[in-house]
Amino acid sequence: DAKTTQPPSMDCAEGRAANLPCNHSTISGNEYVYWYRQIHSQGPQYIIHGLKNNETNEMASLIITEDRKSSTLILPHATLRDTAVYYCIALRGSGAGSYQLTFGKGTKLSVIP
Amino acid sequence: GAVVSQHPSRVICKSGTSVKIECRSLDFQATTMFWYRQFPKQSLMLMATSNEGSKATYEQGVEKDKFLINHASLTLSTLTVTSAHPEDSSFYICSASRQGSYGYTFGSGTRLTVV
Repeated sequence: DAKTTQPPSMDCAEGRAANLPCNHSTISGNEYVYWYRQIHSQGPQYIIHGLKNNETNEMASLIITEDRKSSTLILPHATLRDTAVYYCIALRGSGAGSYQLTFGKGTKLSVIP
Repeated sequence: GAVVSQHPSRVICKSGTSVKIECRSLDFQATTMFWYRQFPKQSLMLMATSNEGSKATYEQGVEKDKFLINHASLTLSTLTVTSAHPEDSSFYICSASRQGSYGYTFGSGTRLTVV
């Protein structure tokens, strides 16, 4: 699976949009971009994933560049409960089954009151 | 949605004893489950892939005789830390995926402290 690069930390004011970037310049055509987050001392939580189109769900939006070499996770109205480490992962296939997730260091997002 | 239950959430054991951690998929069958370990302020590291009805596949550097994995049914995988030592103290997390769904669901983790 392709390597991803994320900034180690970011701050965001409560109520503002949090934009978390991820570089995946070596991503291959069959690799999806997945985002997970881990709140302190909990298991990771799935947020969203995409292949080439932008995606939106109740938690976040995912913007993938046309060349697929980078993406941005957007939390539209960050709350204190969004403080967590966010992981961007490139993964072959839909992720359902036996493909293993490889976690990088992620971005520690701190939402400031 | 898919739910993965992990038990216990926290355990303290004496050095030299063994500890079993259970990972259950509550509303789906999981042919494959994964076990991760996370040390403080570090990312999750994959330890092994647990396959129902067959031997687990361990990542390089993970001792298979120390971390025994059993995946005897489609809804249960167990990780046993044998002869635990203080350096085994860590946060252990399992995950599984339901066929037809996207992504993986993680358990809530087990904080193991060996004293």
